[in-house]
Amino acid sequence: EAGVAQSPRYKIIEKRQSVAFWCNPISGHATLYWYQQILGQGPKLLIQFQNNGVVDDSQLPKDRFSAERLKGVDSTLKIQPAKLEDSAVYLCASSLGVYDRTDTQYFGPGTRLTVL
Amino acid sequence: DQQVKQNSPSLSVQEGRISILNCDYTNSMFDYFLWYKKYPAEGPTFLISISSIKDKNEDGRFTVFLNKSAKHLSLHIVPSQPGDSAVYFCAASARDYKLSFGAGTTVTVRA
Repeated sequence: EAGVAQSPRYKIIEKRQSVAFWCNPISGHATLYWYQQILGQGPKLLIQFQNNGVVDDSQLPKDRFSAERLKGVDSTLKIQPAKLEDSAVYLCASSLGVYDRTDTQYFGPGTRLTVL
Repeated sequence: DQQVKQNSPSLSVQEGRISILNCDYTNSMFDYFLWYKKYPAEGPTFLISISSIKDKNEDGRFTVFLNKSAKHLSLHIVPSQPGDSAVYFCAASARDYKLSFGAGTTVTVRA
């Protein structure tokens, strides 16, 4: 079974530029998550999708971050414009079920973003 | 605010000995707890979980203990193996199902 795919793996941009990350979850997984992991901290949930609807985006900085999940499969996370404090690893995860927290979340390898 | 805390950033243990990783939480609404393991350049992978109705859960060499009154959980790895060298994250959720993660503990298993 293929895992969660993310691209690019690394991205370096200057502040005020835009960047987009792509995630392809495990086939058949209904729920998709985007996390931000700043160096020295644990992952922090940015947004959670269930199929193609948003379940939770309370921690997404909506003035600069946006995310979508088209047709309930792939997802993109965009930052526009980027700030220095956005430097982090952006992790995508997916889980099979809907509203079942015993469902394992499977994580992709992440995209490491450096904002200069 | 940090609702899940892993106060030891690193742990070094000799191969074959026990590794004990600790985690404290502050939110009394948390009732489901997990441990994830992360190798460099990879995403975290699920290791073991425990519900608040239990105080112990075992899976092979890994055992998680939960002390609800102390708001504390620990992960025991016995015996430790070189492949266990990784970063371990403690995570917790309440009924909103949102995972809150600790900052992680880097385990190094020495030969």
